[in-house]
Amino acid sequence: AQSVTQLDSQVPVFEEAPVELRCNYSSSVSVYLFWYVQYPNQGLQLLLKYLSGSTLVKGINGFEAEFNKSQTSFHLRKPSVHISDTAEYFCAASGAGSYQLTFGKGTKLSVIP
Amino acid sequence: GAGVSQSPSNKVTEKGKDVELRCDPISGHTALYWYRQSLGQGLEFLIYFQGNSAPDKSGLPSDRFSAERTGGSVSTLTIQRTQQEDSAVYLCASRSQGAGETQYFGPGTRLLVL
Repeated sequence: AQSVTQLDSQVPVFEEAPVELRCNYSSSVSVYLFWYVQYPNQGLQLLLKYLSGSTLVKGINGFEAEFNKSQTSFHLRKPSVHISDTAEYFCAASGAGSYQLTFGKGTKLSVIP
Repeated sequence: GAGVSQSPSNKVTEKGKDVELRCDPISGHTALYWYRQSLGQGLEFLIYFQGNSAPDKSGLPSDRFSAERTGGSVSTLTIQRTQQEDSAVYLCASRSQGAGETQYFGPGTRLLVL
């Protein structure tokens, strides 16, 4: 079974600074990887996903993530954050062909003006 | 509607009462999921429906929890004899068929058991 680890539960960062949210997954077999964002009192919204192909994936709102098979990581990055990026971010993984998504425990990003 | 909808958005109930939570998936989506989100715990899978197949109930925490999906569309999650530890946000998601397809989430139902 998959497991997903988000190493940081909270990340404070100043506005316009870069940010990296870390995610590691457990399985070495073919895997699909996702990042979701949850704004206060809302459901989860997909930021980006990796299925295959290029290891650098670009998503909405200027976010990108890099799939690193050797390190079993899928870290999320943004070069310059805005106040509106304050939210909780969830990394998720599924085995290729599986209908199950396993979520990490989330990272709360706080952007400081 | 364009997205997944859930009702009610908030529910306060007394310990021991039964509650029903409703999910309307995106039209045409054959797969439907229920998750529970407790404070600081991430998302916990509860149950999965796919078309007319038998649901995967492996995530339901106790026999007080049940769910059904009528006509392959609307789903209801029922919690009987609610306990305070059932307080959480209950999220529904739907997905079209196919490997790697995105799950689309509703806004959730915030349940508080007093």
